[in-house]
Amino acid sequence: DSGVTQTPKHLITATGQRVTLRCSPRSGDLSVYWYQQSLDQGLQFLIQYYNGEERAKGNILERFSAQQFPDLHSELNLSSLELGDSALYFCASSVGLAGGNTGELFFGEGSRLTVL
Amino acid sequence: AQTVTQSQPEMSVQEAETVTLSCTYDTSESDYYLFWYKQPPSRQMILVIRQEAYKQQNATENRFSVNFQKAAKSFSLKISDSQLGDAAMYFCAYRSWGGADGLTFGKGTHLIIQP
Repeated sequence: DSGVTQTPKHLITATGQRVTLRCSPRSGDLSVYWYQQSLDQGLQFLIQYYNGEERAKGNILERFSAQQFPDLHSELNLSSLELGDSALYFCASSVGLAGGNTGELFFGEGSRLTVL
Repeated sequence: AQTVTQSQPEMSVQEAETVTLSCTYDTSESDYYLFWYKQPPSRQMILVIRQEAYKQQNATENRFSVNFQKAAKSFSLKISDSQLGDAAMYFCAYRSWGGADGLTFGKGTHLIIQP
């Protein structure tokens, strides 16, 4: 158990819909990262938040947005969903801005999104 | 931007034997971290081993060890005495020393353990 909690574990929805994925980081971790894992693209970095502020952006679509709340949990919002958005979405957390003195990220179990 | 390449989409090894998974990366930085993560069928991402680029000594964790060649930008993972529980996807990952953009992953190697 990494200490990172993601909900829901599974989600099935239709094209055009909007969903919200939630992540609670490990206790004490200030950084939260979102990754998308699809069959043909591997693990893609989407976005990072540190202590409530956006710090880095990867290949995140404009239809997607995220935020980190004062209690440090984070939400990833996916809107106008397309078939190609079907993927496993991981949240990860780390101690500091750059992973502390180990660089390590701790991953949740992922949220599997299926768009029909 | 950094890139990570895993040239072996799939590898197969007999139980109790040794297997080496390859990884190369491209960076202009001198300080960074390298990782191997394991993803079993449960889909959980599990850290296997970590290497800091400034350390010349290769990291070792029980049956897992790495061969880190900084000049060649190579970071291979050796699994000794392979066990059925080692069957998984293995991802090589890079992170800048002060990087705020998390990990850059390779596309993974699917490791099959033959009983």
